[in-house]
Amino acid sequence: IAGITQAPTSQILAAGRRMTLRCTQDMRHNAMYWYRQDLGLGLRLIHYSNTAGTTGKGEVPDGYSVSRANTDDFPLTLASAVPSQTSVYFCASSGTSGGTDTQYFGPGTRLTVL
Amino acid sequence: GQNIDQPTEMTATEGAIVQINCTYQTSGFNGLFWYQQHAGEAPTFLSYNVLDGLEEKGRFSSFLSRSKGYSYLLLKELQMKDSASYLCAVKDSNYQLIWGAGTKLIIKP
Repeated sequence: IAGITQAPTSQILAAGRRMTLRCTQDMRHNAMYWYRQDLGLGLRLIHYSNTAGTTGKGEVPDGYSVSRANTDDFPLTLASAVPSQTSVYFCASSGTSGGTDTQYFGPGTRLTVL
Repeated sequence: GQNIDQPTEMTATEGAIVQINCTYQTSGFNGLFWYQQHAGEAPTFLSYNVLDGLEEKGRFSSFLSRSKGYSYLLLKELQMKDSASYLCAVKDSNYQLIWGAGTKLIIKP
């Protein structure tokens, strides 16, 4: 693994179903993030984790949950998917959450909820 | 509220120079980032400014004026591969990145 990987690449999901998007990084970064990207809007932060064992809510956390059991993995779960959660989801990581630290992005998961 | 503004779309000619502007209003400032995003791909880091002035990196330069809440990304000697969206983002007082909607740059031969 080099950098950040996400799975699946794309998914079509029936409304009401539960779904977990996976994110793994091998850079030993402390901070990790989940964003959604919708046409005409900037990236919006869903949840973040500054270090393993801690998580926080971003701008649009409703309907999503995360966990950070270890440094490398940061899964995002949709407990009961709704059509408004159709989006492209990006996972990102940075060394720390500090000012100069650059965020590096995974390739994204394209999710369609019908 | 927090706001990042940048033009939705710009068109430029191969070999020319283009300037993409970004204005911001955020609660606190801990640096401004520019990312490039090709269609269907992830954003990739281009530049970071935290002090006023110009940062040059090859064909790309980024400028910051904190007093004006303003930045621009300057792309020189445009190539067809520069066709992409350019995202401006500011780290606020909580060290969270606030993102603009991006500027789609179209390069014509």
